[in-house]
Amino acid sequence: DAMVIQNPRYQVTQFGKPVTLSCSQTLNHNVMYWYQQKSSQAPKLLFHYYDKDFNNEADTPDNFQSRRPNTSFCFLDIRSPGLGDAAMYLCATSRGYSPSSKENPTGFETQYFGPGTRLLVL
Amino acid sequence: AQSVTQLDSQVPVFEEAPVELRCNYSSSVSVYLFWYVQYPNQGLQLLLKYLSGSTLVKGINGFEAEFNKSQTSFHLRKPSVHISDTAEYFCAVSDGKIDYKLSFGAGTTVTVRA
Repeated sequence: DAMVIQNPRYQVTQFGKPVTLSCSQTLNHNVMYWYQQKSSQAPKLLFHYYDKDFNNEADTPDNFQSRRPNTSFCFLDIRSPGLGDAAMYLCATSRGYSPSSKENPTGFETQYFGPGTRLLVL
Repeated sequence: AQSVTQLDSQVPVFEEAPVELRCNYSSSVSVYLFWYVQYPNQGLQLLLKYLSGSTLVKGINGFEAEFNKSQTSFHLRKPSVHISDTAEYFCAVSDGKIDYKLSFGAGTTVTVRA
């Protein structure tokens, strides 16, 4: 089945030790998003790629970086994790803008989420 | 910019009883509205969405929601819940711009008891 896959599901890292989280998709979607979700909070968008174009949210710390080497894969790099970076990290994809069509008259595309990676910082 | 308010942080409910989760949004432009469900230690799953057309939207697992433009609301309902509906529910809004960014509410935890 087409899906959004995140690896690993659980990641433990040490304070200050760089860590990379992975997301892949078989949906061939244009857009890939990374969200941070802390305990009992709403997901917060960190950044997204529209094809190769990177779009950073204004309040995303510089400690967070992303790479998208091809359509299928997107990585989240945390350069120096702090205790406050412990969270669930969610990857999502969407097909990107489409002209209005019979099947999708508003031209809007839905986001599809992966299962998430829970990061623990020791 | 758009924002979402989920009026109830916790909703306890007995099995087979109805449930309503309230969501209000603020936006100065046309909006697209979503409800997502998140089971423990899992990602978000789309329950239903309103993009245009009929204001009553039916989703998966017996859920439905009604878009009310005058009240800027998008409340989620289920006439009879099951134990398996215990989860966190998020309302989200997008202004439909090209990158489809979502703004989420703080979430409502539904606990279904036997």
